[in-house]
Amino acid sequence: SAVISQKPSRDICQRGTSLTIQCQVDSQVTMMFWYRQQPGQSLTLIATANQGSEATYESGFVIDKFPISRPNLTFSTLTVSNMSPEDSSIYLCSVGGQASQETQYFGPGTRLLVL
Amino acid sequence: GENVEQHPSTLSVQEGDSAVIKCTYSDSASNYFPWYKQELGKRPQLIIDIRSNVGEKKDQRIAVTLNKTAKHFSLHITETQPEDSAVYFCAARDDKIIFGKGTRLHILP
Repeated sequence: SAVISQKPSRDICQRGTSLTIQCQVDSQVTMMFWYRQQPGQSLTLIATANQGSEATYESGFVIDKFPISRPNLTFSTLTVSNMSPEDSSIYLCSVGGQASQETQYFGPGTRLLVL
Repeated sequence: GENVEQHPSTLSVQEGDSAVIKCTYSDSASNYFPWYKQELGKRPQLIIDIRSNVGEKKDQRIAVTLNKTAKHFSLHITETQPEDSAVYFCAARDDKIIFGKGTRLHILP
């Protein structure tokens, strides 16, 4: 499986600021996804990061709040904009193949605390 | 869209006994069903998966069954050990993976 890294691993931020999270993969992957995991909860898909085009957002998530970039097949960023304490979560990058029966693997996550 | 229900939310079993976690899904187009294990402070790790053309798959102490007609699938862990204590997530995928709410498994000494 691909080796996935995320930066930063954790951060403490003030409300109203923005944080950009980076996801780097050691090999080219077709699909990259961003998930949020609130404390003690399951994983919720934020969006699919599409290479060379706008990300596809899930219901309840909007581009103005969570802009995503994917400049190539090994890298993506997620920005959490105008943060509030409700944005305190773990944000995870995930990668997988394009075929619907291919496995997805997860990065180590970015633990965000908003004060 | 897809909706995945998972039960129970918490499960305690005696070490050496078996544990069973059950999930149902709503979208008949889903054709891939992975199971992830997440230990405290760590990322979800894939432990086993099953594809829609298979009814059962086994890997050592872990097995998964799939009933496409009824839209449900289950995880079975036999001879449980302390290191099996974790949160387990089932998931279903058509074009993207949607997760169940998780089962916190406690292995009692």
